[in-house]
Amino acid sequence: EAGVVQSPRYKIIEKKQPVAFWCNPISGHNTLYWYRQNLGQGPELLIRYENEEAVDDSQLPKDRFSAERLKGVDSTLKIQPAELGDSAVYLCASSFLAGGFSDTQYFGPGTRLTVL
Amino acid sequence: AQRVTQPEKLLSVFKGAPVELKCNYSYSGSPELFWYVQYSRQRLQLLLRHISRESIKGFTADLNKGETSFHLKKPFAQEEDSAMYYCALSRTGFQKLVFGTGTRLLVSP
Repeated sequence: EAGVVQSPRYKIIEKKQPVAFWCNPISGHNTLYWYRQNLGQGPELLIRYENEEAVDDSQLPKDRFSAERLKGVDSTLKIQPAELGDSAVYLCASSFLAGGFSDTQYFGPGTRLTVL
Repeated sequence: AQRVTQPEKLLSVFKGAPVELKCNYSYSGSPELFWYVQYSRQRLQLLLRHISRESIKGFTADLNKGETSFHLKKPFAQEEDSAMYYCALSRTGFQKLVFGTGTRLLVSP
């Protein structure tokens, strides 16, 4: 099994440019998470989806960040426009949620974003 | 608010020595605690969770609610244990993980 797939693995852009990240979760996983990991820090949750519904986006900077999970499978996270402080690793994770309890979260390899 | 503290950025030991990676948390409710590990050039993966009470790769961790700690221990470190270790917390239901800043374990021969 491929596990959680993310692309691209690396992205370098200039500030004020838009950027998008894509994630395909493990087959059958109904819950998808986007985390941001700044250098020297642990991952921080940006948004969580249950199927196609965003159930926790309290940490998502909505002025420039947006996300979607159409059809409840793969997901896209977008930043427009990017700022220098957005340089980080963006991690996608997925899990299976049933009866209000989520199984183990499985992480993708991440996308390392550098904003110049 | 939920918070996880890992006081050591780097822990360096020799092969065969005991290892203890510290994790303290603050949370007013009943937490679920996890240890995640990231080996070089690999993705973040679950090492163990307190409810399963398992020993994975020789590592154990006991939840101490009185001291609000969940320290990770191994009696004899191996070189292949060298990695980045993250302690994480969630409310019951495992839905949102709050991570610590991580501790890099370096095991020298």
